[in-house]
Amino acid sequence: GAVVSQHPSRVICKSGTSVKIECRSLDFQATTMFWYRQFPKQSLMLMATSNEGSKATYEQGVEKDKFLINHASLTLSTLTVTSAHPEDSSFYICSARSPNTEAFFGQGTRLTVV
Amino acid sequence: EDQVTQSPEALRLQEGESSSLNCSYTVSGLRGLFWYRQDPGKGPEFLFTLYSAGEEKEKERLKATLTKKESFLHITAPKPEDSATYLCRHRGGYQKVTFGIGTKLQVIP
Repeated sequence: GAVVSQHPSRVICKSGTSVKIECRSLDFQATTMFWYRQFPKQSLMLMATSNEGSKATYEQGVEKDKFLINHASLTLSTLTVTSAHPEDSSFYICSARSPNTEAFFGQGTRLTVV
Repeated sequence: EDQVTQSPEALRLQEGESSSLNCSYTVSGLRGLFWYRQDPGKGPEFLFTLYSAGEEKEKERLKATLTKKESFLHITAPKPEDSATYLCRHRGGYQKVTFGIGTKLQVIP
């Protein structure tokens, strides 16, 4: 299947700092990328959807100024958690798809804000 | 409101003991029912997509089926390496995506 690489897999940051997470599609052009967060023992919650070259569409309740999404190329999207706080600690997962493929998921990023 | 409900939340099987996982959904305009496997600390791994009632797909020991209200993931003669959390999600109208909470499967040797 298609490969989606997410980096880093784990990150610990201090409260108030910003963290950037990268999501790359390695063997296909991802016209659409999705960002999810997952709390322990809960399902994946869609945060936002981004199409290459366009502004991301955020789900209700997700702060777009806090979770900055950039999808500047067909192989790369980034999620920046700005001014992170302990409650932002979670498992963040990206997925990517092209018009001809289903969505494939990255390995996830465990963010811990201390 | 679109909903996806998975049951059971956890399932413990002996190696070789076949069983089924359930994913029931309420959605306006189903545009796909998807099954994934998720290992701890990893992203979901795509397994199957089903689009219409009566459709079935198989992969090794797994078979997914779909009716108008639910989907089943049948596991035949499971092995310990099948232990994982199995997620289902649907894609409904306006591309809205809803995941179930998952079934945590443990297969004991």
